[in-house]
Amino acid sequence: GAGVSQSPSNKVTEKGKDVELRCDPISGHTALYWYRQSLGQGLEFLIYFQGNSAPDKSGLPSDRFSAERTGGSVSTLTIQRTQQEDSAVYLCASSSKVARSDTQYFGPGTRLTVL
Amino acid sequence: AQSVTQPDIHITVSEGASLELRCNYSYGATPYLFWYVQSPGQGLQLLLKYFSGDTLVQGIKGFEAEFKRSQSSFNLRKPSVHWSDAAEYFCAVGTQGGKLIFGQGTELSVKP
Repeated sequence: GAGVSQSPSNKVTEKGKDVELRCDPISGHTALYWYRQSLGQGLEFLIYFQGNSAPDKSGLPSDRFSAERTGGSVSTLTIQRTQQEDSAVYLCASSSKVARSDTQYFGPGTRLTVL
Repeated sequence: AQSVTQPDIHITVSEGASLELRCNYSYGATPYLFWYVQSPGQGLQLLLKYFSGDTLVQGIKGFEAEFKRSQSSFNLRKPSVHWSDAAEYFCAVGTQGGKLIFGQGTELSVKP
């Protein structure tokens, strides 16, 4: 079956603009995660969604970052007033449930460049 | 504090040689451990995982890892490396809520 997909694959934007990154998880997966991969910080957790529960936003670096998940499926990560330090690869992952042992399946990522 | 350390940033091995990538973790409870591989421009692919049972775990592509609680380690091994194994490798621990904490990664280069 189809894996996790993300769009766009690349995004170049100017400092101060807003951007939206999209993630389509594997069908039937109830858990969805966003991670950020940057040279200085490595791979870091941003936010996760589990079904209809309130999301865990503990990894979001500032209030410029937000995410939503509509209908328990597609998720959008929004970065407002982008800064150069937001440049990174944003990875989305999904799993069948929220559990420490469950495998997360990753999408190819969106490379964000803020000029 | 929960953390994962991969001491080697970059390793080069010759094709056909054996490989061991090191991973040390710090986690208060029983750890759930993962190794992922990332090829250039790709997302992460799971190689193997450990959460209970036999401490020697077999994965895809001929990889295996051994969990050693006394050393807080989960090292990845392969007896004979292929050129296609060149990639970046990440060790991770699963935490509450399923969030993964990753190590900094080890970049593997393979010499012909």
